[in-house]
Amino acid sequence: KAGVTQTPRYLIKTRGQQVTLSCSPISGHRSVSWYQQTPGQGLQFLFEYFSETQRNKGNFPGRFSGRQFSNSRSEMNVSTLELGDSALYLCASSLAPTLRKETQYFGPGTRLLVL
Amino acid sequence: KNEVEQSPQNLTAQEGEFITINCSYSVGISALHWLQQHPGGGIVSLFMLSSGKKKHGRLIATINIQEKHSSLHITASHPRDSAVYICAVMREAGNQFYFGTGTSLTVIP
Repeated sequence: KAGVTQTPRYLIKTRGQQVTLSCSPISGHRSVSWYQQTPGQGLQFLFEYFSETQRNKGNFPGRFSGRQFSNSRSEMNVSTLELGDSALYLCASSLAPTLRKETQYFGPGTRLLVL
Repeated sequence: KNEVEQSPQNLTAQEGEFITINCSYSVGISALHWLQQHPGGGIVSLFMLSSGKKKHGRLIATINIQEKHSSLHITASHPRDSAVYICAVMREAGNQFYFGTGTSLTVIP
């Protein structure tokens, strides 16, 4: 089975722009979670989607949004980019929502640099 | 105060040594995960625990729910074990992960 794929792998944007990141989960997995990793804050949970519904959201401003499609692929969008949004964005997929103690499989991440 | 605390932050060991990384948490959890992150960013989920002990190869993870503490042990450490190890807990309420700051392990040949 192919693993979790994320596109693009690297991205450079300028302040004020918006960005869309994509995540394709492992075939058969219906839950996708998004995380942000920065040197200062470490890993932080952004949101989780299951069956096209957002189940859970971390403490991030409304500029961060996401969605999930019927094929379980997910996108996250960040509008009005700020320098502090520079980070590694990771997605992870699992068969079922993480509340059910499913193992998560992580993608390689998208490294976003905001100038 | 972080909900999840890890120690040590950095660890250097000689090849073959027995290694222990500790994780303490302050909230009620439904599960605890140990993650491994290699340079470049890729993360692998090593263990998911809700009680007791799990073993996979040279890796052993234990959890004590009453003491809110988990340990990750690496026996006969090898340079390829060099990575950042991250403890993550799934809260009972809230359905989201909280992460420790990670332990950076370097194993010297």
